[in-house]
Amino acid sequence: QKEVEQDPGPLSVPEGAIVSLNCTYSNSAFQYFMWYRQYSRKGPELLMYTYSSGNKEDGRFTAQVDKSSKYISLFIRDSQPSDSATYLCAMRRAGGYQKVTFGTGTKLQVIP
Amino acid sequence: GAGVSQSPRYKVAKRGQDVALRCDPISGHVSLFWYQQALGQGPEFLTYFQNEAQLDKSGLPSDRFFAERPEGSVSTLKIQRTQQEDSAVYLCASSLAGLDFSGANVLTFGAGSRLTVL
Repeated sequence: QKEVEQDPGPLSVPEGAIVSLNCTYSNSAFQYFMWYRQYSRKGPELLMYTYSSGNKEDGRFTAQVDKSSKYISLFIRDSQPSDSATYLCAMRRAGGYQKVTFGTGTKLQVIP
Repeated sequence: GAGVSQSPRYKVAKRGQDVALRCDPISGHVSLFWYQQALGQGPEFLTYFQNEAQLDKSGLPSDRFFAERPEGSVSTLKIQRTQQEDSAVYLCASSLAGLDFSGANVLTFGAGSRLTVL
């Protein structure tokens, strides 16, 4: 079983919809939680990161972390066709160098 | 340069050939990571460098995989005697932080080198 589980989708929504993307994880030592966006044939780019539990908002994007349930979410409000991409959750332990572990990625398509 | 540059972008190799993939990280970035991304999968960690020192190579799948960063900047990932299961996108990422950093360790990725082994 992988340390980080993510539904691969694909997820197809109409423009303007609220999108919910989720990951679960098994390693309770993870402290930093990140969401990367990857367009086709491009490298992942960081969208947001949070430390420990709580919420963080950045424009149309909200990241939530529930460490008690080992569950993280990314919400996208007023989704746009330009949001069509693969969304990767990622996480790492705190303290010094720790490799970043990624989920499988969820492919999102926003239909105009 | 402004970003992480990888070359070649596409490589087709016959089974058994050796390949070398190059990564030019962002200037001044201390940390450099290699990841392997199979089709439809997330990136899987291969190896990590802090400057010229390879501090973690636990993700390298076999002794056919070798990575180096001799001067602490450009890195090369070499795969010997390629096999079909080596077909994947090889991603390089760099970050400013080193071992003494306790933050999120934000990675900047290159576009990747897509390797196809026939």
